[in-house]
Amino acid sequence: DAGVIQSPRHEVTEMGQEVTLRCKPISGHDYLFWYRQTMMRGLELLIYFNNNVPIDDSGMPEDRFSAKMPNASFSTLKIQPSEPRDSAVYFCASSPGKTQYFGPGTRLLVL
Amino acid sequence: EDQVTQSPEALRLQEGESSSLNCSYTVSGLRGLFWYRQDPGKGPEFLFTLYSAGEEKEKERLKATLTKKESFLHITAPKPEDSATYLCAVQADTDKLIFGTGTRLQVFP
Repeated sequence: DAGVIQSPRHEVTEMGQEVTLRCKPISGHDYLFWYRQTMMRGLELLIYFNNNVPIDDSGMPEDRFSAKMPNASFSTLKIQPSEPRDSAVYFCASSPGKTQYFGPGTRLLVL
Repeated sequence: EDQVTQSPEALRLQEGESSSLNCSYTVSGLRGLFWYRQDPGKGPEFLFTLYSAGEEKEKERLKATLTKKESFLHITAPKPEDSATYLCAVQADTDKLIFGTGTRLQVFP
């Protein structure tokens, strides 16, 4: 199994631009999680899905962030418009029920 | 409020010098405690899950233990390749994991 796949691995954009991060979970995993990691705040859960349905989005910082999971093998996290304070590493993780397996992350820099 | 605290924040060891990392937690109904290893520029890599007090798990030079209030990750005779950040997380009443801020371990030859 290839593990969780994320793209792009690095993204540099300018403030105000739309950013879309992509994730392909491990096949057969029912849960998908989006995290953000910064030096100051560590790993923060943004949103998670169960069977493609959003269950808890209480960690999404503001309306500029949105996430979708149109099918069991694909999810997106969108930031529109992006701001410099959104700069962080964004991780996607998938789980069959308990243990979460993380992707390599997308390093986002908003100038 | 559910909370996870890891100590120390950073640890420097000489190769072969055994030590322990601590993860203390406050949760209402522990469903599982997880240890991950994270190398620079990579995602967290799963190491262990512990479910009940008294449980222990081992993998190579690492051994994780669990009590009702804390978990320890014991590192025996560490090698430079064990250098990484070790993250602890707990799962309480929901499917979410609550992560600590990690311990950054450096092992020098």
